[in-house]
Amino acid sequence: DTEVTQTPKHLVMGMTNKKSLKCEQHMGHRAMYWYKQKAKKPPELMFVYSYEKLSINESVPSRFSPECPNSSLLNLHLHALQPEDSALYLCASQAHLAGGETQYFGPGTRLLVL
Amino acid sequence: KQEVTQIPAALSVPEGENLVLNCSFTDSAIYNLQWFRQDPGKGLTSLLLIQSSQREQTSGRLNASLDKSSGRSTLYIAASQPGDSATYLCAVTPDSNYQLIWGAGTKLIIKP
Repeated sequence: DTEVTQTPKHLVMGMTNKKSLKCEQHMGHRAMYWYKQKAKKPPELMFVYSYEKLSINESVPSRFSPECPNSSLLNLHLHALQPEDSALYLCASQAHLAGGETQYFGPGTRLLVL
Repeated sequence: KQEVTQIPAALSVPEGENLVLNCSFTDSAIYNLQWFRQDPGKGLTSLLLIQSSQREQTSGRLNASLDKSSGRSTLYIAASQPGDSATYLCAVTPDSNYQLIWGAGTKLIIKP
């Protein structure tokens, strides 16, 4: 099973809402990633977790808060977002952070902030 | 600073043709190079991964080559089909920090 699942598929939220994105993998991977992708652009790295610890935070605003409760699950908590945060949010997993293996991507959550 | 460039930005060819997508990178100190496919509004699918010590990888109708010294990779698609229509992105993993550096992608349209 090489599947990474993400929920929800679509999300519409107001600027005062709090919501969460969820990502799950059961491949035993120990590195998990959050990316943000705007239309017609490549993915931008947001956060990297390695062995459930935050390894990389690419200077992401605090209105995005990641969480890795266990080795299979990755959450992204959203609060007080801005319209410019509307994008496709992709989760990915990899066997190990520095292992050079391929990253497996989920289908993404399409987020619209009104 | 590593930069990855993909040319052309878009390509439209008739079904059945063989085609080549190009990817270039500025720093040869890479760990590996990957080619991904992305359908509109969807996630990315890894197509081929070439380690820095390898020259090429093949999967079905796809063949990817890597020339580190010239900073180039090509993705060859044989006998193209309408289902190959998608955006193709290449990404390199630098030796230094193991994070992917992405090209902007080539949008491929295969006309029936």
